[in-house]
Amino acid sequence: GENVEQHPSTLSVQEGDSAVIKCTYSDSASNYFPWYKQELGKRPQLIIDIRSNVGEKKDQRIAVTLNKTAKHFSLHITETQPEDSAVYFCAAILNAGGTSYGKLTFGQGTILTVHP
Amino acid sequence: GAGVSQSPSNKVTEKGKDVELRCDPISGHTALYWYRQSLGQGLEFLIYFQGNSAPDKSGLPSDRFSAERTGGSVSTLTIQRTQQEDSAVYLCASSLARNQPQHFGDGTRLSIL
Repeated sequence: GENVEQHPSTLSVQEGDSAVIKCTYSDSASNYFPWYKQELGKRPQLIIDIRSNVGEKKDQRIAVTLNKTAKHFSLHITETQPEDSAVYFCAAILNAGGTSYGKLTFGQGTILTVHP
Repeated sequence: GAGVSQSPSNKVTEKGKDVELRCDPISGHTALYWYRQSLGQGLEFLIYFQGNSAPDKSGLPSDRFSAERTGGSVSTLTIQRTQQEDSAVYLCASSLARNQPQHFGDGTRLSIL
């Protein structure tokens, strides 16, 4: 079945530095890769996503890159701020035999701490 | 517009009791998903509804778990004869269609004593 591995499990940076979180997936048929930010006690919030026909997508300080050959995708946060501190989850949707399934398979999460 | 709404926000019950969790998706969203998040863990898929198609129940952990979606809108997740290992946050999400961005509700925090 589909498997998503996420690294690192914790990441600590100084305010203003960049943060990078990486995920690998097992099934080459996966075609949709969202990233969620979850603050303590809150709902997961979609912050950026990418589809398999695109290599990179940017939204202000956040970017996601996808390497289909290597089956990995990464979240990049530049100029980090204390309010970026949260748990970040990557996820993937399987596309098997040309039929897209809806369920997300999540990575285990990265606790990002941005120190002022 | 309103986001995904879940109720109750917290539920404490005794082992062996049945519980029902409710999810109101975003209006117009045809796909609805249930996930479970145990303390400090990632999200685990439970069940997925898409329009009038048969639901994908492949993530339900046991036959004590069931879900239905009436009228293509509201969904209820039922856990029968609850066990302590059922304690978790149960999250509902909806999307316009499958393979579209999923938006989550605030979840129901279930505690089994």
